[in-house]
Amino acid sequence: DQQVKQNSPSLSVQEGRISILNCDYTNSMFDYFLWYKKYPAEGPTFLISISSIKDKNEDGRFTVFLNKSAKHLSLHIVPSQPGDSAVYFCAASAKTSYDKVIFGPGTSLSVIP
Amino acid sequence: GAVVSQHPSRVICKSGTSVKIECRSLDFQATTMFWYRQFPKQSLMLMATSNEGSKATYEQGVEKDKFLINHASLTLSTLTVTSAHPEDSSFYICSASDGSRRRIDTQYFGPGTRLTVL
Repeated sequence: DQQVKQNSPSLSVQEGRISILNCDYTNSMFDYFLWYKKYPAEGPTFLISISSIKDKNEDGRFTVFLNKSAKHLSLHIVPSQPGDSAVYFCAASAKTSYDKVIFGPGTSLSVIP
Repeated sequence: GAVVSQHPSRVICKSGTSVKIECRSLDFQATTMFWYRQFPKQSLMLMATSNEGSKATYEQGVEKDKFLINHASLTLSTLTVTSAHPEDSSFYICSASDGSRRRIDTQYFGPGTRLTVL
């Protein structure tokens, strides 16, 4: 049973426009959410996170929104740049085990120049 | 930022042989290391968590006798795939945490090892 879902395997966006990557989760115990970015043949790198006590967290061009009632979060990238082309993983952890991260299947983002 | 290396980056072996993958934290002491595997177009799946000097904690469904994990020092953890079979072919990624904060955004990932078992 997949606890973290990313229903869009891929997304293409024009350079300069907004990229919106979506993520849904099923486990109500999750209280901390992260987005990772991964280039081919490299390990994931941490991008941005959000605690369940917040509904928005912003870091430069990246903003993560959390809707707890819908068990949904999204990552917005504005403006999108070609270097943003990568696979983005949504991940979650529960207060009972902060070391353990549950990853979604990833969304491959292509930013077209 | 913190750097985690993995060696080898790619390995091809025959069925029945054992393969060792190293994970090193280069510029910090990793009190906890994690091992993941990723199948094509699928998510990273946590296999086990290891703390320096103690036995690894394996996730449900992961065979501890098949995937031997050793975390002998604060900068090195190894994963040995014993008697590898074609179904063990996967991308194995380690990550390391210095434990300075509880939050898992201090978990730094290695570049991964592509294992192909013929």
